[in-house]
Amino acid sequence: QVQLVQSGAEVKKPGASVKVSCKASGYTFTSYAMHWVRQAPGQRLEWMGWINAGNGNTKYSQKFQGRVTITRDTSASTAYMELSSLRSEDTAVYYCARRQVGATRYYYYYYMDVWGKGTTVTVSS
Amino acid sequence: DIQMTQSPSSLSASVGDRVTITCQASQDISNYLNWYQQKPGKAPKLLIYDASNLETGVPSRFSGSGSGTDFTFTISSLQPEDIATYYCQQYDNLALTFGGGTKVEIK
Repeated sequence: QVQLVQSGAEVKKPGASVKVSCKASGYTFTSYAMHWVRQAPGQRLEWMGWINAGNGNTKYSQKFQGRVTITRDTSASTAYMELSSLRSEDTAVYYCARRQVGATRYYYYYYMDVWGKGTTVTVSS
Repeated sequence: DIQMTQSPSSLSASVGDRVTITCQASQDISNYLNWYQQKPGKAPKLLIYDASNLETGVPSRFSGSGSGTDFTFTISSLQPEDIATYYCQQYDNLALTFGGGTKVEIK
């Protein structure tokens, strides 16, 4: 079955970087894009960016531009999200989610159909 | 960035009640609107895509409607297992934003 397995919880100090992985199985990794979404405690979901797993093209939220890097390793069917210059406000659960695409006669539409279980990142001195 | 205003932020209803959540976009997003359900400690789950299409396997008591800037999500008959927070999410120019969420509780 289609599955996204994320790496384990991380504890980081302010100013450090964190790299979270998301291993895909059950489908052709390079045929889909992958989103990264985070959720701080008690807060709304927050989109960070996505990567086209086929060609490696990325798009980032303006909020995280310059601090986030999303990459992929096609041989390992794994996407990565690295966030740098961490601060306490980056304490959150980080999710990867597969981007699904559909089409009507007139347009394409997109949604996130499969999600990882999330990786907790705690930033604390 | 397009802002998504979701209301109410929370609601309490009885089992069997009809529940309605609204989501308003700060500009026209056509049908580019999805709805997710998130239970505590769990990842979000897709319920509705492209404003009104029910994801496979999702119960038919869930529905969505709207286009442009105003969207509605409805649970026709609230069930105990529907206790969760619901989020709308738009995509424009392949950049995404989520609404603030609606926490649904049983009265």
